[in-house]
Formats: sequence, structure tokens, C-alpha cells
Amino acid sequence: DAKTTQPTSMDCAEGRAANLPCNHSTISGNEYVYWYRQIHSQGPQYIIHGLKNNETNEMASLIITEDRKSSTLILPHATLRDTAVYYCIVRVSESGGNYGQNFVFGPGTRLSVLP
Amino acid sequence: NAGVTQTPKFQVLKTGQSMTLQCAQDMNHEYMSWYRQDPGMGLRLIHYSVGAGITDQGEVPNGYNVSRSTTEDFPLRLLSAAPSQTSVYFCASSPSPSNEQYFGPGTRLTVT
Repeated sequence: DAKTTQPTSMDCAEGRAANLPCNHSTISGNEYVYWYRQIHSQGPQYIIHGLKNNETNEMASLIITEDRKSSTLILPHATLRDTAVYYCIVRVSESGGNYGQNFVFGPGTRLSVLP
Repeated sequence: NAGVTQTPKFQVLKTGQSMTLQCAQDMNHEYMSWYRQDPGMGLRLIHYSVGAGITDQGEVPNGYNVSRSTTEDFPLRLLSAAPSQTSVYFCASSPSPSNEQYFGPGTRLTVT
């Protein structure tokens, strides 16, 4: 069962911020939120991850609500090259345990950046 | 670093044929995994490995075998291909479960 819920598709104007929501209402205290994207038919690409604090890197920002039941990935200035399917994944971060069951890619959100 | 490499990029098989999809990484990652992606769907985990000599099943292991004799290589074997195995196959590696995964470019397999 997917632990996350994302909209099927979104549009964003080029140069504007793209805000991609994700619901993970059953997230556990030791589970991180990861974001990946898949451009056309390439392999998925890691974007960012976080536990409870907001995170920012050169690609994006991740805003996690205080109750951790939802999060938003923000691409601050979307370009045409950001058109892709974006996956929100929750998983534990410790080593060992049931590693193989922890990475679940749902259908994701198809983001279209429009000129 | 070449990262994660996969061969072949494309393959067409007839039902019942066997083949091995190759995956290699040069980052000395302990963890490697195989996913399949069907049209319009997310990725589903087939098999994974937490280190040389150790493998385990993922969500959809039936019809596939794996082995991990070295840290670098993690081949996926189809013993008797079926049309239901037509898909895009991705290999991934990571230094540990707490790190992000690095994906290969994929192998597009068609079984007729």
C-alpha cells in the first residue's frame, strides 16, 4: 500500500514557483520524506529529503507541516526542463531491518511546465 | 565515476527465452536493487541486495532471479520470459538505506 497521496497532474508557468503537495497522514516518527523525479523515460533522480525541519538545496525546498502529515516540494523558478513526474516517498532511515520494503514509488505527480 | 550502468538498453525476447539484465556500479555502494516500471505506473521493487552474497525479494519477485557475487554487479535473470514481463527495468544503488538511491538509465524489454 502506498503511504503517500499526490495529485495526478499539475501545470506551472515557466519562471514561477511550482508547489507540489504530498499527503502522508500515516507517517511514523522514524520515517523520512523523500522526493524524486523522473524526466521522460530516464531513471529517477533524487531531489531532496527531510524528517521534520524544512530543507533546502540547490534544486528545491521541502516544507513539512508541524504534524508531519503532509509536505510540499517547491521548485522556486520552474523551467521547461523541470517537466517530469515527481514522486513523494516516505521511508525509514535506519540501516538494517526491512530495507527492501521501504522504498515505494507510487504513480507520482506529472508536472508540466508551460512556456 | 560512471555511476550506475545497465546493459542492454533495449531487448526483444520471445516467450520462453531467457536472458540476463546487467547492472554495475562503481561507487562502492552496498545496497542495490531492481525495479520495473510499467506504462503510466510508478516503480515496483523486484529484488534487492544489502551486500555481496545477500539478496532478498521485493514486491514483485516472481519470474526473476538475482545474485550478488561482487559489490559492483547485480544481474537480474529472467529464466523463461513472459509477455507480462514487458516493462522498463531500472537498477539502483545507494551507500546505505539512509541515503538517496542512484538509478541507472534503464533497460526497455519487450517480450513477444
